[in-house]
Amino acid sequence: GENVEQHPSTLSVQEGDSAVIKCTYSDSASNYFPWYKQELGKRPQLIIDIRSNVGEKKDQRIAVTLNKTAKHFSLHITETQPEDSAVYFCAASNAGGTSYGKLTFGQGTILTVHP
Amino acid sequence: GAVVSQHPSRVICKSGTSVKIECRSLDFQATTMFWYRQFPKKSLMLMATSNEGSKATYEQGVEKDKFLINHASLTLSTLTVTSAHPEDSSFYICSAYRQGRPYEQYFGPGTRLTVT
Repeated sequence: GENVEQHPSTLSVQEGDSAVIKCTYSDSASNYFPWYKQELGKRPQLIIDIRSNVGEKKDQRIAVTLNKTAKHFSLHITETQPEDSAVYFCAASNAGGTSYGKLTFGQGTILTVHP
Repeated sequence: GAVVSQHPSRVICKSGTSVKIECRSLDFQATTMFWYRQFPKKSLMLMATSNEGSKATYEQGVEKDKFLINHASLTLSTLTVTSAHPEDSSFYICSAYRQGRPYEQYFGPGTRLTVT
């Protein structure tokens, strides 16, 4: 089955700095890579996702890059703000057509943005 | 956007009793739903895939006789924790796909189960 490794487990930055979280996956059939933000006791919230036919995607301060050859993808947050502090999870699945792929999650990164 | 609800949000039960958690897709039909559990400061671990009208598919290591899943309609899946023990205390989260849109999963708000 799929295995997703996520690093670092904790990340501390100053407000305004950039934050980068990296994930690797093992199953070359995976084609969908979402990133979630989870606050304590709440549901995961999708912040950005990328499909395997795209190498990069950006949404305001958030961007994701995908390297299919190396089987890794990264989350980039620029101009971090204290409200970005949360746990971030990467995930991977093999989805498409009528196949509803199950998500395999990384271990999570606790991001702390200091004012 | 698509909304998934869970009920109850919190439940405390005594050891040996059973607890049922409901997961509903409120504004869309969900052929497939997933159940996860999450321990404090840990990641989401998939327990099972729930398919409408058929038996659930359980992940390795998950006891299907202990965690009963029923997906009787396109908008409702239930997870019953039978003969609960303190080690079953966890945060249980469901998710669902919109029918015909196999990429983005929509998560429920979660159920905090505490077994005393």
